[in-house]
Amino acid sequence: QSVLTQPPSASGTPGQRVTISCSGSSSNIENNYVHWYQQLPGTAPKLLIYSNNQRPSGVPDRFSGSKSGTSASLAISGLRSEDEADYYCAAWDDSLSGPRFGGGTKLTVL
Amino acid sequence: QVQLVESGGGVVQPGRSLRLSCAVSGITFSSYGMHWVRQAPGKGLEWVAVISYDGSQKYYVDSVKGRFTISRDNSKYTLYLQMNSLRAEDTAVYYCASGRGVRGHFDYWGQGTLVTVSS
Repeated sequence: QSVLTQPPSASGTPGQRVTISCSGSSSNIENNYVHWYQQLPGTAPKLLIYSNNQRPSGVPDRFSGSKSGTSASLAISGLRSEDEADYYCAAWDDSLSGPRFGGGTKLTVL
Repeated sequence: QVQLVESGGGVVQPGRSLRLSCAVSGITFSSYGMHWVRQAPGKGLEWVAVISYDGSQKYYVDSVKGRFTISRDNSKYTLYLQMNSLRAEDTAVYYCASGRGVRGHFDYWGQGTLVTVSS
């Protein structure tokens, strides 16, 4: 059972907007930055959003992140078939003295 | 172009040891915290260990404490993970990743190396 809780699956049709939630606690999300990673099938993870809402160079602005209290969200607008992947949230946990990942959300583009 | 290349994976019997390496290029290695993250077959990501830019700080997930040791050689731009007393549940693809400090996000990831613990 992960310290950070994500829905196991999400889906949408091309062009839609989908959101993926990540729920934690005061020892992780509330007092630390949240980051999001995208893992395309058969590949290594890639940084998608860092420090709650910052996009690395090269990541389309269709991807956005937000945080409020002990929860965070990843939003993907203008959904595309190539967005089909697993998405993971992560945050440092002060109680565990290490970063922790959510269980991952498998996004399906219908 | 940033590259992280893991090596050293393979099949090993329970109780034996293995050392993974991660060769880094394209970044100033000595400025980055470095992490190991693993992914068991069909499962999610699990952080394993982190070492600070100068090696002075090291943290581990509870399940590997006392068995795994993370280290680095800044002169060789290389990260290591010494894994002892391996168990079946350590079977996973092991990724190295560069981090913004010990607590920061993982900027870059390697392609992973598979470790299989089986008799």
